[in-house]
Amino acid sequence: NAGVTQTPKFRILKIGQSMTLQCAQDMNHNYMYWYRQDPGMGLKLIYYSVGAGITDKGEVPNGYNVSRSTTEDFPLRLELAAPSQTSVYFCASSRLAVNTGELFFGEGSRLTVL
Amino acid sequence: AQSVAQPEDQVNVAEGNPLTVKCTYSVSGNPYLFWYVQYPNRGLQFLLKYITGDNLVKGSYGFEAEFNKSQTSFHLKKPSALVSDSALYFCASTSGTYKYIFGTGTRLKVLA
Repeated sequence: NAGVTQTPKFRILKIGQSMTLQCAQDMNHNYMYWYRQDPGMGLKLIYYSVGAGITDKGEVPNGYNVSRSTTEDFPLRLELAAPSQTSVYFCASSRLAVNTGELFFGEGSRLTVL
Repeated sequence: AQSVAQPEDQVNVAEGNPLTVKCTYSVSGNPYLFWYVQYPNRGLQFLLKYITGDNLVKGSYGFEAEFNKSQTSFHLKKPSALVSDSALYFCASTSGTYKYIFGTGTRLKVLA
């Protein structure tokens, strides 16, 4: 099973450029999430989705956008990249709501903005 | 505000010795508590969870965790550490919302 697949694994952007981080899961999970991981800071929730067509903001949504047109895919769009968006981004999914179901994570996308 | 604290940035333990990685929480309502492990350049992997019931929860790779309501703690333990247990460990909680609250992580180093 592929689980949660993220692309690309690495990317370098210039300030002001835009890009999309792709995330796909093949487990038919309704719930999907985007986190960023900064050293010593743990994981911060950017956006989440409870099903196709439904998305909501997390703790740190500024500078990002998402869409959820299918159950499988949950792309994260960075508009006008800034150095503060240099981070490792993780996509995750869960079958159940988080109060009972564990998260399945992708392997991460390391983004550097110069 | 809800929070999860991992008071130790790093824990060092000799191979074969017992290990403990500490976690305390502050959440409203019933806490749902989780431990995840992250190996280098990988995503987080689920280890175990406490939802309700027995305070001692057993999980993957021989790990277990003890839920203590009076001390608001959920410490991760293993009776005998392996070098391969060396990784970054995250405690997380949620109290019935769609969102996890993660601790800042504890790096476990098991010395041969």
